Amino acid sequence: AQKVTQAQTEISVVEKEDVTLDCVYETRDTTYYLFWYKQPPSGELVFLIRRNSFDEQNEISGRYSWNFQKSTSSFNFTITASQVVDSAVYFCALIHNFGNEKLTFGTGTRLTIIP
Amino acid sequence: DAMVIQNPRYQVTQFGKPVTLSCSQTLNHNVMYWYQQKSSQAPKLLFHYYDKDFNNEADTPDNFQSRRPNTSFCFLDIRSPGLGDAAMYLCATSRDRPPSGGSIADTQYFGPGTRLTVL
Repeated sequence: AQKVTQAQTEISVVEKEDVTLDCVYETRDTTYYLFWYKQPPSGELVFLIRRNSFDEQNEISGRYSWNFQKSTSSFNFTITASQVVDSAVYFCALIHNFGNEKLTFGTGTRLTIIP
Repeated sequence: DAMVIQNPRYQVTQFGKPVTLSCSQTLNHNVMYWYQQKSSQAPKLLFHYYDKDFNNEADTPDNFQSRRPNTSFCFLDIRSPGLGDAAMYLCATSRDRPPSGGSIADTQYFGPGTRLTVL
């Protein structure tokens, strides 16, 4: 069975602060993929990143960075110098390679950036 | 731009009155999904199509049906909406699974969603 845990239900930070969203996953598969999606108030789920289980390199994209650590089964997401437009619900998700294309989502973290 | 389109964005229906939600895509992806997302919850997969092969989740109520007449379009039919069916409905697509297996878990791209209200 797969499970994704996002322990932080809601986070509020002041604009320009850095913020890290935690994601811990469980799976018995050796090959799997991890994702982060952003859901702004408009409702659309916006794809941010995909990582496979064999690639533990951290990734940076502008103000966004991701820290994947298999040893702790974590895939954390950091926003540097946060902006009001970063306010959204962020979902971490997992899919395994030989499944039925079913994404297992975490419960999401609502991030509010205070101007 | 290639994209996933959902119509309408907002749908109001009456209790028990059938409703159809529409999804179209210009990505030419073979897999299409329907998710239900209730307030403050994660999306929940209802079913998906791999080409014309329909895959229903075990806990999807019979009240929910789907049609995929061609690669580009997929419809969600709710035969008799109840108050508990009020939710955001999200359509997503992903690419082919390679015949040899390999990286089948491709990224799912979502549409903007249809917010359904049941009166």
